[in-house]
Amino acid sequence: QQKVQQSPESLSVPEGGMASLNCTSSDRNFQYFWWYRQHSGEGPKALMSIFSDGDKKEGRFTAHLNKASLHVSLHIRDSQPSDSALYFCAARNTGYQNFYFGKGTSLTVIP
Amino acid sequence: EAAVTQSPRNKVAVTGGKVTLSCNQTNNHNNMYWYRQDTGHGLRLIHYSYGAGSTEKGDIPDGYKASRPSQENFSLILELATPSQTSVYFCASGDAQGSAETLYFGSGTRLTVL
Repeated sequence: QQKVQQSPESLSVPEGGMASLNCTSSDRNFQYFWWYRQHSGEGPKALMSIFSDGDKKEGRFTAHLNKASLHVSLHIRDSQPSDSALYFCAARNTGYQNFYFGKGTSLTVIP
Repeated sequence: EAAVTQSPRNKVAVTGGKVTLSCNQTNNHNNMYWYRQDTGHGLRLIHYSYGAGSTEKGDIPDGYKASRPSQENFSLILELATPSQTSVYFCASGDAQGSAETLYFGSGTRLTVL
């Protein structure tokens, strides 16, 4: 069973628009969450981490975590063509080595 | 910035052959990981290591071995490659701030087993 599920699978937004990506986990032991971004032909790169309930903002990117509903989201405002990539949500338990990754959301920003 | 280098970038192997994928990190991170990425599965953990001399099994270790001879180097070994092991493989090192650990990935190795 996939422990981390992402939606939508793919998303297209116009340049300058808002992109919203969602991630839901099935394990209440997950305490730590990350968003990773992967451009075509490259390895994933950490975008943001969020460990506490609420919002965390870094530039155009805002992550939101609600541990009670096991839901984390990523919002990208003023989307740019360079934001076109595959976005992964990752989660981890306290004291457990493995990170669980979702299958990813493919974002396309249309100029 | 943290640097993780994988080699080769592309590899074609024959069924039953031995394949070694190499990874080098200059971050001085203790933890290193091997993942494979397949369409429809995301990233899945094969093996990981806490430091030189240690290797641990991840979620899908069957058919793979790992070797960590030094802090900097972590190899993934396919003793008898099979077509089902055709995939893109990523190595990562982790900055190990407890469980709040960020991973730094290499650029990947695309392996095709014919």
